[in-house]
Amino acid sequence: AQSVTQPDIHITVSEGASLELRCNYSYGATPYLFWYVQSPGQGLQLLLKYFSGDTLVQGIKGFEAEFKRSQSSFNLRKPSVHWSDAAEYFCAVGASSSASKIIFGSGTRLSIRP
Amino acid sequence: GAGVSQSPRYKVAKRGQDVALRCDPISGHVSLFWYQQALGQGPEFLTYFQNEAQLDKSGLPSDRFFAERPEGSVSTLKIQRTQQEDSAVYLCASSPSGGERQFFGPGTRLTVL
Repeated sequence: AQSVTQPDIHITVSEGASLELRCNYSYGATPYLFWYVQSPGQGLQLLLKYFSGDTLVQGIKGFEAEFKRSQSSFNLRKPSVHWSDAAEYFCAVGASSSASKIIFGSGTRLSIRP
Repeated sequence: GAGVSQSPRYKVAKRGQDVALRCDPISGHVSLFWYQQALGQGPEFLTYFQNEAQLDKSGLPSDRFFAERPEGSVSTLKIQRTQQEDSAVYLCASSPSGGERQFFGPGTRLTVL
């Protein structure tokens, strides 16, 4: 069965520091992978997605993620975080060829230290 | 705005009551999805429509949950005889085609007392 693991429940980083949020997935075929962000009072927003091709994917707000098949990972990175990046981040895997059924991880809450 | 809207934003129900949650997708979006998000958890897939056809309802937790999209636009998620474990945020998303780029609504927070 498809699954997503986000091992870090809560991470705190200083403003301006680099960030890496971990994500591991389990899926039998080539996965569709996503990162979403959820801010208080706002809906889930797509940061980036990987379907095929270049394994380093650029997203919005300066985020990027790298697909590593050998490690079944899709970690999210940002070189320098801003206070406005504080939010909940969800990794997700598409469980069908059209990604019509998406399985979400349990999320990582990001706090920013001034 | 032209985003996905959901109503009501908050709903309090007594155990045993029926509730109906509405989703207005982005105009022209073919696909519509419902998710359930429990406190402190990620969203869990409930069901998926392509136009008016419900193509996947494998995530609906029981036969008390029913979703429809009769004209291929607005969708309603109905929960009959609500239970306390139904308390969650119910998210709706729409997409121009498949699920590759889903646009989420703000959610409806359901509290069952």
